[in-house]
Amino acid sequence: AQSVTQLGSHVSVSEGALVLLRCNYSSSVPPYLFWYVQYPNQGLQLLLKYTTGATLVKGINGFEAEFKKSETSFHLTKPSAHMSDAAEYFCAVSDRGDYKLSFGAGTTVTVRA
Amino acid sequence: DTAVSQTPKYLVTQMGNDKSIKCEQNLGHDTMYWYKQDSKKFLKIMFSYNNKELIINETVPNRFSPKSPDKAHLNLHINSLELGDSAVYFCASSQGDLMREQYFGPGTRLTVT
Repeated sequence: AQSVTQLGSHVSVSEGALVLLRCNYSSSVPPYLFWYVQYPNQGLQLLLKYTTGATLVKGINGFEAEFKKSETSFHLTKPSAHMSDAAEYFCAVSDRGDYKLSFGAGTTVTVRA
Repeated sequence: DTAVSQTPKYLVTQMGNDKSIKCEQNLGHDTMYWYKQDSKKFLKIMFSYNNKELIINETVPNRFSPKSPDKAHLNLHINSLELGDSAVYFCASSQGDLMREQYFGPGTRLTVT
């Protein structure tokens, strides 16, 4: 079964600063990889995903992530944080052809004015 | 139009009661899921149905019983509610396997007193 590790349960950044959220997975075969965002009292929304092809994936709201097979990582970045980015971020992984998503523990992002 | 809807949004009940949560999706998807998010925001898959067939059944107490009357609906019935069942329950749907995005409902916050 896949497992996902998100380093850092809480990240605090200044408005305009780089946002970097770390995600590592355990698999010998490249899985499907996802980042979801959860705003307070809401459901999850997909930010971006990697299934195949280009390893640098661009998503919504200016986020992007890079799949690095050698490091089994899928870190999420945004060059310039906005107050509206304050939310909970989840990395998730599934085996190819599978229906089961395994989520990381989540990272809470706060943005300081 | 709401893509994935859940009712009720909030549910407060006493230990020992039986309750149901309903989920409907209007996306034409063939796969639906139930997730549980605990107080530490950890998300875990509970069940999944594909074309009304149960395909994922995680280690969940048999007090929890999903029912899918058709592809657009997936309900969750919980018998003999316990304090530990307090959580936010999310419904989600997707088309086919997880190469495609999962769409999440807004969640149902269940509080057992």
